Amino acid sequence: DVKVTQSSRYLVKRTGEKVFLECVQDMDHENMFWYRQDPGLGLRLIYFSYDVKMKEKGDIPEGYSVSREKKERFSLILESASTNQTSMYLCASSRSTGGRTEAFFGQGTRLTVV
Amino acid sequence: SQQGEEDPQALSIQEGENATMNCSYKTSINNLQWYRQNSGRGLVHLILIRSNEREKHSGRLRVTLDTSKKSSSLLITASRAADTASYFCATDAGSSASKIIFGSGTRLSIRP
Repeated sequence: DVKVTQSSRYLVKRTGEKVFLECVQDMDHENMFWYRQDPGLGLRLIYFSYDVKMKEKGDIPEGYSVSREKKERFSLILESASTNQTSMYLCASSRSTGGRTEAFFGQGTRLTVV
Repeated sequence: SQQGEEDPQALSIQEGENATMNCSYKTSINNLQWYRQNSGRGLVHLILIRSNEREKHSGRLRVTLDTSKKSSSLLITASRAADTASYFCATDAGSSASKIIFGSGTRLSIRP
């Protein structure tokens, strides 16, 4: 069964802390994504990776960075957490080839910055 | 900026009725997808329609695509209480076929 696993379901961090959100997929997918979801705003793409060590900015990359050292793992880093980064964070992965670009999602991490 | 915008933002219907949600997007696409999200959970893929297709069916779901109008619709027939969820359309970002951009979603409530 296809699986995308996010390391935490809930996180509470203090302002100014460096925060790591981890995501692992077991489907050998080339593409991985980080989105944040806020009420009324849908899913907004933060960063996208199409291969190991390759990344592309999404619509809202400010305040975030990412790391993809291995194909199965994609990390989102909040360099200095701020209260406006309180949100639901969703990781997803998808295949590049074969025309089937459907994304598979993790269960989400609800991050609260206090 | 988001690629897709759903309409309406919220929809409440009686169980057994049909639900129609619309999606408009801005740039050319290779395919369009619809996803469903139950409260507080990750999204689940429902259906994908390619840019050269006009209509697609999957069970009680019917999706149409009009590339000339840059719009799509999702029809759920004979709705059930379990269909209560948020529904999102998503498109590839044109220049980058693998990048998936989501709309703002429609929140569907089914009344018993």
